[in-house]
Amino acid sequence: KQEVTQIPAALSVPEGENLVLNCSFTDSAIYNLQWFRQDPGKGLTSLLLIQSSQREQTSGRLNASLDKSSGRSTLYIAASQPGDSATYLCAVIWVQAGNMLTFGGGTRLMVKP
Amino acid sequence: SAVISQKPSRDICQRGTSLTIQCQVDSQVTMMFWYRQQPGQSLTLIATANQGSEATYESGFVIDKFPISRPNLTFSTLTVSNMSPEDSSIYLCSGAGGAFKNTEAFFGQGTRLTVV
Repeated sequence: KQEVTQIPAALSVPEGENLVLNCSFTDSAIYNLQWFRQDPGKGLTSLLLIQSSQREQTSGRLNASLDKSSGRSTLYIAASQPGDSATYLCAVIWVQAGNMLTFGGGTRLMVKP
Repeated sequence: SAVISQKPSRDICQRGTSLTIQCQVDSQVTMMFWYRQQPGQSLTLIATANQGSEATYESGFVIDKFPISRPNLTFSTLTVSNMSPEDSSIYLCSGAGGAFKNTEAFFGQGTRLTVV
């Protein structure tokens, strides 16, 4: 079964810390991997999209890497701020699954001032 | 990027009734999807909304419970029928554009449904 797993499920850090969120997937035959942010009770905001041929993508303080062979992606957040507090979700499109996104369980991040 | 608008943003409904959620995209997208997010859980795909034909449902979801329409490339509706408290969730519409799979997916702001 194709699954996406995110560790840790929850993370609390003081403001200013650099942090890494982890995402693993069971099948390396992916089209792309996408990271999202979700604020409580809200929809999803796309943060970064990594195509299967790419190794990383950067946007501002965010950097996402992809290692298909090991089935892993990481989201690096530099100099965290209280406004970064949210749930971060990674999602994968498998080659054999049409355009359907399979989501991990998310990491709930709290950045304390 | 595409902007996706969902209506209503939230609703409280009586059990046994139905609610139709609308999803409007500001540009034509090839693919539209409906997801459910139960409290404290991640997202689960309900169905792919196909333009001009019946939606494709995932295992565990049926058309009688979640009828979907997609009359054109920018609009879709999801109806939650004969609701029970177990249907209380956030329902999200998603779109992805272009003819290839390596495209970014965008989401609406979600509809928070509470069934009492």
